[in-house]
Amino acid sequence: AQTVTQSQPEMSVQEAETVTLSCTYDTSENNYYLFWYKQPPSRQMILVIRQEAYKQQNATENRFSVNFQKAAKSFSLKISDSQLGDTAMYFCAFMKRNNAGNMLTFGGGTRLMVKP
Amino acid sequence: EPEVTQTPSHQVTQMGQEVILRCVPISNHLYFYWYRQILGQKVEFLVSFYNNEISEKSEIFDDQFSVERPDGSNFTLKIRSTKLEDSAMYFCASRGWTSGSASTDTQYFGPGTRLTVL
Repeated sequence: AQTVTQSQPEMSVQEAETVTLSCTYDTSENNYYLFWYKQPPSRQMILVIRQEAYKQQNATENRFSVNFQKAAKSFSLKISDSQLGDTAMYFCAFMKRNNAGNMLTFGGGTRLMVKP
Repeated sequence: EPEVTQTPSHQVTQMGQEVILRCVPISNHLYFYWYRQILGQKVEFLVSFYNNEISEKSEIFDDQFSVERPDGSNFTLKIRSTKLEDSAMYFCASRGWTSGSASTDTQYFGPGTRLTVL
């Protein structure tokens, strides 16, 4: 079974600054995906960024980028130029590839507060 | 942009009553999921569904739960006899080809249904 750990329950950052959220995971699989989802106060789950484990290049999506360290099983999210709208709960998630169910396994989340 | 929709947004029910939560996945998606999130806790997988049958289910998904795709658009989660501990946010997700995406491996979530069991 896979486990996903987010060691920072809460973080805060000043508007326009950069913040990094940590995520580690444990798996014996070699073929998988990793995701970051954002959950604002509305509680909708919104995809932020995804990473395929077979790709060495770190994924980027505008102000969001990841640092994927496969050997260390680490998958951190960097938010640059933080905006007030980035205030939300952030969940790291793991999904096996080529699995019939392809369920997502989520970490416990990091609550990010962006301060003006 | 296509999106997953869920109804109702909030459901209040008495313990022991049956509830049906409804989801309309993204058109052309073939894989469907239910997750739940008890307030303040992590999101937990319940069940996945493909080709009109359950692909995988968690320990949470016991005999009180069932899923169905009654027609070509809806995907439902039924809880037969609700318990207090079923109070949670229930998320539907779907996966498949999505316009603008190069991959079918991303799950897109609906806005959730908040279930309150009294």
